Amino acid sequence: KAGVTQTPRYLIKTRGQQVTLSCSPISGHRSVSWYQQTPGQGLQFLFEYFSETQRNKGNFPGRFSGRQFSNSRSEMNVSTLELGDSALYLCASSGKLAGGLNEQFFGPGTRLTVL
Amino acid sequence: GNSVTQMEGPVTLSEEAFLTINCTYTATGYPSLFWYVQYPGEGLQLLLKATKADDKGSNKGFEATYRKETTSFHLEKGSVQVSDSAVYFCALSVVDDQFYFGTGTSLTVIP
Repeated sequence: KAGVTQTPRYLIKTRGQQVTLSCSPISGHRSVSWYQQTPGQGLQFLFEYFSETQRNKGNFPGRFSGRQFSNSRSEMNVSTLELGDSALYLCASSGKLAGGLNEQFFGPGTRLTVL
Repeated sequence: GNSVTQMEGPVTLSEEAFLTINCTYTATGYPSLFWYVQYPGEGLQLLLKATKADDKGSNKGFEATYRKETTSFHLEKGSVQVSDSAVYFCALSVVDDQFYFGTGTSLTVIP
């Protein structure tokens, strides 16, 4: 079974630009979550999509948005990039354990550098 | 609300030393508990999990027991190796809610 894939793996942008990151979950998984990881803030939850609907949302500004397609693939978009957006962006897909509880599987991440 | 409090790092140990990384949680429901590990330059990998009280998760010599009475899920390993050097994250999940992660504990094992 293929794992979670993220593209691109590395990205360099300049302030003010926008960026779109892509995540393909494990086959059969319907939930995709996005995280931002920085040395100073650790792992911060951005949002979760389940069956094309945003189910949970973290505390990030509206410049950060996402969507999920009918095949469960997800994209996240960051508009008007700031230097502080430089981070590793991780995607995780969720399958269900017995009893309906979730287990998350992570992709390798997209390293975004904003200059 | 739901949250995870994890032992601050970094932790530096000599090879074959005993490892404990403390993790406590608060949860509104009945959570599942997880330990994830992140090696340099990679995403997080599931290390072990426990879904109910008194369950013991184990993998690669690591163990953690779900203690409902103390709301804890401490990670232990009897003899660490250099290859165990990584960042370790404690996490919880409740039904249909997001995952909640601790801040991560960096472990360095020196030969």
